[in-house]
Amino acid sequence: QVQLVQSGAEVKKPGASVKVSCKASGYTFTSYDINWVRQATGQGLEWMGWMNPNSGNTGYAQKFQGRVTMTRNTSISTAYMELSSLRSEDTAVYYCARGDEYSRLDVWGQGTTVTVSS
Amino acid sequence: DIQMTQSPSSLSASVGDRVTITCQASQDISNYLNWYQQKPGKAPKLLIYDASNLETGVPSRFSGSGSGTDFTFTISSLQPEDIATYYCQQYDNLPLFGGGTKVEIK
Repeated sequence: QVQLVQSGAEVKKPGASVKVSCKASGYTFTSYDINWVRQATGQGLEWMGWMNPNSGNTGYAQKFQGRVTMTRNTSISTAYMELSSLRSEDTAVYYCARGDEYSRLDVWGQGTTVTVSS
Repeated sequence: DIQMTQSPSSLSASVGDRVTITCQASQDISNYLNWYQQKPGKAPKLLIYDASNLETGVPSRFSGSGSGTDFTFTISSLQPEDIATYYCQQYDNLPLFGGGTKVEIK
């Protein structure tokens, strides 16, 4: 079946970086975008950016420009999201989601909890 | 930048009630709007795409309408399993989610 499986929970210190992976299966990895969405505890959904696994092209929300990098390894159908200069406000669950050209996010990963704490 | 205003932020209704949630865009986004359901501790689930199209496998009590700047999401007969937070999401430019509506049973 079509699924996205994310890497496990992370605990990081302020100022560090975190890299979350998202492994796709059950479909052609390069045929759909991968979007990243985060959610702080008790808060709403926040779209971070997208990546086209075929071309490697990316688009980031202005809030994360300069701090987020989205990459992929097509040989293992895996997308990555790296967020740098972490601060406590980055503590959240991070989701990857498959998206089509109209950003219809129809398949989601299970989420990865990132905790930023000194 | 496009802003999305979703209302109400929460509501309480009885089983069988008709529930309506609205989402307003700050500028014309045609029909570039999706609706998601998120249950506690779970990833969001796509329910409606392109403002009014039901995603495969989603019960027909869910529906969406609207175009331009004003959109509506409706649950025709609220069921206990519909307890969740619902989000609109526009994709006219870069995707943006509304603030969410938490639906509870009265």
